[in-house]
Amino acid sequence: GAVVSQHPSRVICKSGTSVKIECRSLDFQATTMFWYRQFPKKSLMLMATSNEGSKATYEQGVEKDKFLINHASLTLSTLTVTSAHPEDSSFYICSAPRPLSGSETQYFGPGTRLLVL
Amino acid sequence: QKEVEQNSGPLSVPEGAIASLNCTYSDRGSQSFFWYRQYSGKSPELIMFIYSNGDKEDGRFTAQLNKASQYVSLLIRDSQPSDSATYLCASNFGNEKLTFGTGTRLTIIP
Repeated sequence: GAVVSQHPSRVICKSGTSVKIECRSLDFQATTMFWYRQFPKKSLMLMATSNEGSKATYEQGVEKDKFLINHASLTLSTLTVTSAHPEDSSFYICSAPRPLSGSETQYFGPGTRLLVL
Repeated sequence: QKEVEQNSGPLSVPEGAIASLNCTYSDRGSQSFFWYRQYSGKSPELIMFIYSNGDKEDGRFTAQLNKASQYVSLLIRDSQPSDSATYLCASNFGNEKLTFGTGTRLTIIP
């Protein structure tokens, strides 16, 4: 079964509004979670690392004031796309590492498809 | 800079044949290697992971790791049309973020 959930699975919003996406680890704690973005037919692009109890670490070129990340608890990280514009329309996916047979294995949530009109 | 290289494909394989997917990595410090399958419009799904040299088998899937040559491969036996997807290779060191390849698009031809 799923080990990481995301909500919502799909969202349509108007340009200029903010959208919050939740990522939850199910039945395990995750001090670190990762947020990715994927455009159609393109590779996964890591946006940021969400750290419980401290600030998120953003990848080069990702605006931290536009993509707000809050690791609220050991099972929840949120990504808020502020003042969304059509170019922010994409597939946003989170992942969380979970120990599996002695190795930290990342499990992905089902993703959130964002369409900004 | 840590890099993971994959042939983007597309790779076409007849149904029932063996599909072979390859990946090379640049960081000798990489410890664990992962293969994810991603269907169009869906998020990646873990297929296998490997961290020891040699082969690791799970059903129709076999992962192979050669640390000396810095490559990792995935073999899919008895390929099925449902195996058609993009396969992502990834590596990491400890609990660090994954470094992904660009993915190989695999098509199984009935």
